[in-house]
Amino acid sequence: EVQLLESGGGLVQPGGSLRLSCAASGFTFSSYAMNWVRQAPGKGLEWVSGIIGSGGSTYYADSVRGRFTISRDNSKNTVYLQVNSLRAEDTAVYYCAKALSSSWQFDYWGQGTLVTVSS
Amino acid sequence: DIQMTQSPSSVSASVGDRVTITCRASQGISSWLAWYQQKPGRAPELLIYAASSLQSGVPSRFSGSVSGTDFTLTISSLQAEDFATYYCQQANSFPLTFGGGTKVEIK
Repeated sequence: EVQLLESGGGLVQPGGSLRLSCAASGFTFSSYAMNWVRQAPGKGLEWVSGIIGSGGSTYYADSVRGRFTISRDNSKNTVYLQVNSLRAEDTAVYYCAKALSSSWQFDYWGQGTLVTVSS
Repeated sequence: DIQMTQSPSSVSASVGDRVTITCRASQGISSWLAWYQQKPGRAPELLIYAASSLQSGVPSRFSGSVSGTDFTLTISSLQAEDFATYYCQQANSFPLTFGGGTKVEIK
């Protein structure tokens, strides 16, 4: 059974940083691209970042490029999102999502971790 | 960036009704489109991928189709558990983008 478990969210002041983690199980982790998708309170879904199975290529939304960094450790079956220079508009539930093989469509999602940026 | 325009933003329907939701891409995306269902407080779930392929375990009352840059999600006979918000997502090019969502409510 595929499972994705996010952690690392919390309350942080504007300008602060966090590292989000997503621990995966139930599939060959290194064979699949992984993504982060966020949802601000009461709003729709926004793709944030993606990384291919080897970790060799990464992709970002314009709204986070230069502030967020996605990475993965295939030996630990974990994908990370380092979030820096946080702004109020980054407040959201952050979901980890596994991509289908050879496609950037998401067949499994974690339960999400809430990041709140407030002073 | 590819814009995904989803309509309607909300629809009121009764159990047994046929419901159609549309997503229009601002440029060609071939069949690189997925549909997701999200219930309150829950993560999204994949319904349809590659525009018309039914994800394993998803009831056959859900179907997807494409005509050019217009994509359609159809629920053939709405069930009580289908009241939720639905999103489309293009997977043709980065940045990946979602439609604004369609909330299916009980009439």
